[in-house]
Amino acid sequence: GAVVSQHPSRVICKSGTSVKIECRSLDFQATTMFWYRQFPKQSLMLMATSNEGSKATYEQGVEKDKFLINHASLTLSTLTVTSAHPEDSSFYICSAIGTGYEQYFGPGTRLTVT
Amino acid sequence: QKEVEQDPGPLSVPEGAIVSLNCTYSNSAFQYFMWYRQYSRKGPELLMYTYSSGNKEDGRFTAQVDKSSKYISLFIRDSQPSDSATYLCAMSYGSARQLTFGSGTQLTVLP
Repeated sequence: GAVVSQHPSRVICKSGTSVKIECRSLDFQATTMFWYRQFPKQSLMLMATSNEGSKATYEQGVEKDKFLINHASLTLSTLTVTSAHPEDSSFYICSAIGTGYEQYFGPGTRLTVT
Repeated sequence: QKEVEQDPGPLSVPEGAIVSLNCTYSNSAFQYFMWYRQYSRKGPELLMYTYSSGNKEDGRFTAQVDKSSKYISLFIRDSQPSDSATYLCAMSYGSARQLTFGSGTQLTVLP
């Protein structure tokens, strides 16, 4: 299957700082990428949808000024958590779709804000 | 009522057993159906993708879709301890291609 990578896999930052997470499709061009958040023992919660070259579409309740998403190329999307606070600590996962409907997920990034 | 219902388990079976995982859905617009396996602290891994009613087989895995009953299943034959994970059903429709997930079923295969 197609491969999606995320970097970093784990990050610890201090409250008030910003953190950038990268999501890359390694062997296909991703027309659409999605960002999810997952709390322990819960299913994935969609945060936003991004299409290459256009602004991301955020789900209701997700602050677009806090979670900045950039999809600058067909293989790279980034999520920046600005002015992070402890309540932003979570597991963030990206996914990517090519021309079909199969959605491939990255390995996830565990963010801890101290 | 949730759009996609999935029994959260936990489900515990002995090694070699046949496992049956199920989801029901209420939105008849769903056209594309997927099963994912997620190990603890990892991203979901796509196991099966189908878009028509009927069965699709891949190795030890069989995905079954019954659109008339709005019911999908994943069967795992000769289950192994390495199959122990959370299994998520997911479905989508339309050009947006966003997935709607079930809540996940936690499976443990005992050696």
